[in-house]
Amino acid sequence: DQQVKQNSPSLSVQEGRISILNCDYTNSMFDYFLWYKKYPAEGPTFLISISSIKDKNEDGRFTVFLNKSAKHLSLHIVPSQPGDSAVYFCAASAFGNQFYFGTGTSLTVIP
Amino acid sequence: DADVTQTPRNRITKTGKRIMLECSQTKGHDRMYWYRQDPGLGLRLIYYSFDVKDINKGEISDGYSVSRQAQAKFSLSLESAIPNQTALYFCATSDPDAGRDRTQKVTQYFGPGTRLTVL
Repeated sequence: DQQVKQNSPSLSVQEGRISILNCDYTNSMFDYFLWYKKYPAEGPTFLISISSIKDKNEDGRFTVFLNKSAKHLSLHIVPSQPGDSAVYFCAASAFGNQFYFGTGTSLTVIP
Repeated sequence: DADVTQTPRNRITKTGKRIMLECSQTKGHDRMYWYRQDPGLGLRLIYYSFDVKDINKGEISDGYSVSRQAQAKFSLSLESAIPNQTALYFCATSDPDAGRDRTQKVTQYFGPGTRLTVL
């Protein structure tokens, strides 16, 4: 069973608007959550993370929100830029050991 | 130079052949991982190693084996390749100190991937 789920395979957003990518998880032992960005023909690159002791973490245009009671996290990108077009993976870990990945959301930012 | 390198980048082989994918890292991390990516399935963990003497199976280890030759090297082998092992394979590393303190950032660093096709 998939422990980390990204239910939207794709998302299109106009340049300058907000992109919201969502992720749900089932394992209550997860205490770290990460977002990765992946371009074609490259490995995933780390974008932003959050530990379970926080409910929000911000880094420039990227903000991750964690709702532990709902077992849900989201990535907000504001403002969206064409260079943000990529596949975004959500991942979760318990104590930094194994990492479990979602299936990815392909974001297209339209100029 | 890249911190995590994988060789080869592309490989086409035939059913039944033995294949080795290699991963090297210069990040000095003890922890290394092998994943495969399939369309619609995301990244799934094959094997992981927390140090040279510690090897663990992941979600989908059947049909694969690994070797941790040194801290910096972690190889993945397909003893007898089959077509459903056609996928994109990624190696990754992570810092073993991360995770001990919940305020520390935890992340993984990925190689560029190996595209394997089994005919």
